[in-house]
Amino acid sequence: QSVVTQAPSASGTPGQSVTITCSGSGSNIGVNHVNWHQQFPGTAPKLLIYDNDRRPSGVPDRFSGSKSGTSASLAISGLHSEDEAKYFCATWDVSLSAWVFGGGTDLTVL
Amino acid sequence: EVQLVESGGGLVQPGGSLRLSCVSSGFTFSSFEGHWLRQAPGKGLEWLSYITISGDRRDYAESVRGRFTISRDNTKNSLYLQVNTLRAEDTAVYYCVREGRFCSGGICPGAFDLWGQGTVVTVSS
Repeated sequence: QSVVTQAPSASGTPGQSVTITCSGSGSNIGVNHVNWHQQFPGTAPKLLIYDNDRRPSGVPDRFSGSKSGTSASLAISGLHSEDEAKYFCATWDVSLSAWVFGGGTDLTVL
Repeated sequence: EVQLVESGGGLVQPGGSLRLSCVSSGFTFSSFEGHWLRQAPGKGLEWLSYITISGDRRDYAESVRGRFTISRDNTKNSLYLQVNTLRAEDTAVYYCVREGRFCSGGICPGAFDLWGQGTVVTVSS
């Protein structure tokens, strides 16, 4: 069981906004930055958000991140059908001395 | 092209060993820390191991410590993972990953900014 948890699924219709949340603790999200990754079936993950709220070049500004306390969120506005993917949060856990990932959230664009 | 390409996966019996390799291109490999992660079928991502730029420090997840060994050869732009005493639960896609540092104001948070395509390891008799 992951020390960082995410809802297994989320959904929205094209044009809508959706938020995916990652919940952790004082040994991980509470004291370290959070990154978000996007993964399509059969492919490697791609970095979407780093350092809580920063986007690598090439990532649309429809994607945004935030962090508060021991939780972090990924918001996607103006949903596109091509946003249908699995989204993972990642952070460093000081107690485990390991990178930890949320279990992933499957986003469905209806 | 900036990329990481893994190889070395395959079908192996329980208790067996493999050496996974990862060759980089398109960037200065010796300027980045390297990691191995894996993803079991239908499961989430699991961090396994990391190695510093010079190779002088390595760290492992508890689940693989003592069985897996990470190494690198900067002259060959390559990262390796020796996996020993394999178990059924080690069956997964293994990814070679670069950790990028995004410095701002003297702080350099890391992120897995480049992934290989993965190599499949199947442990079964």
